[in-house]
Amino acid sequence: KQEVTQIPAALSVPEGENLVLNCSFTDSAIYNLQWFRQDPGKGLTSLLLIQSSQREQTSGRLNASLDKSSGRSTLYIAASQPGDSATYLCAVLAGNEKLTFGTGTRLTIIP
Amino acid sequence: DGGITQSPKYLFRKEGQNVTLSCEQNLNHDAMYWYRQDPGQGLRLIYYSQIVNDFQKGDIAEGYSVSREKKESFPLTVTSAQKNPTAFYLCASSIVAGGTYNEQFFGPGTRLTVL
Repeated sequence: KQEVTQIPAALSVPEGENLVLNCSFTDSAIYNLQWFRQDPGKGLTSLLLIQSSQREQTSGRLNASLDKSSGRSTLYIAASQPGDSATYLCAVLAGNEKLTFGTGTRLTIIP
Repeated sequence: DGGITQSPKYLFRKEGQNVTLSCEQNLNHDAMYWYRQDPGQGLRLIYYSQIVNDFQKGDIAEGYSVSREKKESFPLTVTSAQKNPTAFYLCASSIVAGGTYNEQFFGPGTRLTVL
């Protein structure tokens, strides 16, 4: 059974710093990995989708990497801003057509 | 604007009542999903549908029912058999279910509270 872990559960950093969020998964036989952002009381916003054949994807200040063999992905946020404060979730898609989600990292950017 | 809408935003249910949560998408996606989110837990899949008139149980389907009569709509009914229905419910869709290029997009959610 696929399990997805995100550590730490919460992270606070000063504005302007670069930061890395971590995601690990137990079964490397995945189709893709997706990073989401969730603001309090809101739905999920898709940030980046990495296919199993890719090593990384970039969108603006965000860069996500994927190392399937080690079961790890990172989300790098450059030059953090207060508006980046949110919970970040990763999810992996395996052959059963179902996304398996981590429990998220709650990020707070301190002005 | 293309997207996924869910209604209502907040819903209150009395013990023993069935309630139905609405999910509509205008993205022309074939696949639609229902998830439940509880504090401190990852999202859990309730039901999903790959095409019209077909749906499959997810990991926590007991006490829930769905229908998929139209491509755009995937309503979820929370029945009185669901013992702990208080949660945040999220609907999602994707072009297809599974496969390399599946990317799921989410609606704004419905918060259900049992009184």
